[in-house]
Amino acid sequence: EVQLVESGGGLVQPKGSLKLSCAASGFDFNSYGMSWVRQAPGKGLDLVADISSKSYNYATYYADSVKDRFTISRDDSQSMVYLQMDNLKTEDTALYYCTVDNYGWFAYWGQGTLVTVSS
Amino acid sequence: DTVLTQSPALAVSPGERVTISCRASESVSTLMHWYQQKPGQQPTLLIYLASNLESGVPARFSGSGSGTDFTLTIDPVEADDTATYYCQQSWNDPPTFGAGTKLELK
Repeated sequence: EVQLVESGGGLVQPKGSLKLSCAASGFDFNSYGMSWVRQAPGKGLDLVADISSKSYNYATYYADSVKDRFTISRDDSQSMVYLQMDNLKTEDTALYYCTVDNYGWFAYWGQGTLVTVSS
Repeated sequence: DTVLTQSPALAVSPGERVTISCRASESVSTLMHWYQQKPGQQPTLLIYLASNLESGVPARFSGSGSGTDFTLTIDPVEADDTATYYCQQSWNDPPTFGAGTKLELK
């Protein structure tokens, strides 16, 4: 059974930092790209960042709204994916989902971790 | 970015057939996927590559379309199908989602 467990969310002040973690199990982690998708309260889904597998040289993608502030990374030895979020803004407030990128579609989703940016 | 347009909401009665549409601002070939998000839950994959049913998803769900016009059909609708349905394309970079269609049961 595929499991994705996010952690690291919380309340942070504007311009602060947080690091989200996602522990993956139940599938061949090394073979898949991994993504973070967020959902602001009452809103839709937005792809934040994506990292490909080693086969694709760990290529990364960032939404324009987070470029130069967020960094996605992965540790294949631990089946973990991370999202380092710096210089947070109030508009980054959202539920952040860890997902498995199955060559373009998001096959599995975690339960999400809530990030609240507020003073 | 490719914009995906969905109707905001639909209301249907159990047992009826419902179609949820998604229109892309440019062609996405058949790289269109559908998700269901029930209240308070994470999204789950229903359909990938326009018409392929994800494992474990009831056969009441089906998808069709290519190019710019796509449809998710539920037939027959059940009370448990109350949810928001999102389309997502992966043909053009970056991948984008529609704003979602909220399905309510009468």
